[in-house]
Amino acid sequence: AQSVTQPDIHITVSEGASLELRCNYSYGATPYLFWYVQSPGQGLQLLLKYFSGDTLVQGIKGFEAEFKRSQSSFNLRKPSVHWSDAAEYFCAVVDFSGNTPLVFGKGTRLSVIA
Amino acid sequence: EAGVTQFPSHSVIEKGQTVTLRCDPISGHDNLYWYRRVMGKEIKFLLHFVKESKQDESGMPNNRFLAERTGGTYSTLKVQPAELEDSGVYFCASSLLGQPNTEAFFGQGTRLTVV
Repeated sequence: AQSVTQPDIHITVSEGASLELRCNYSYGATPYLFWYVQSPGQGLQLLLKYFSGDTLVQGIKGFEAEFKRSQSSFNLRKPSVHWSDAAEYFCAVVDFSGNTPLVFGKGTRLSVIA
Repeated sequence: EAGVTQFPSHSVIEKGQTVTLRCDPISGHDNLYWYRRVMGKEIKFLLHFVKESKQDESGMPNNRFLAERTGGTYSTLKVQPAELEDSGVYFCASSLLGQPNTEAFFGQGTRLTVV
């Protein structure tokens, strides 16, 4: 069965510092990979997705993620964090058919301090 | 264009009561999904509608949960009777037919608290 691990429950970074959120998945083949963000009072918003091709994908709000097949990882990065990035971030996978439900990690809560 | 909307945003009910959650998908989206997040755990799939038909309800926890999508438009998720472990955030998502989970848009969620 597919599974997603986000090892960090809560991360605190200073505004302007770089950020990396970790995501590891377990799946027999290469799945489709996603990062979602949930800001307070908001729904889940898609940040970026990886289907195939270039393993470094760019998303909205200055985020990027790199797919590493050898490590079964899809870590999310941002070079300079803004206070508005404080939110909860979810990594998710779906099999390559796209016809099965999304499988989510438990999420990482990001706090940003001045 | 309006996104996926869910009502209510919050609900607090007593154990044993009934609660109905509603989801209005994006107009024209035939795929509709319900997910749930129990506090501290991952977001889990509940069920999937294609138009008014249940395509996959493998994630429904038990028969206290009933989902409907009359006319293939909005959907309701009823919990009757509610138990303490039903507390959590219920998300709805929708997508175009032919573009399943890969292109799903989520609502803001309904936070359900059972006391």
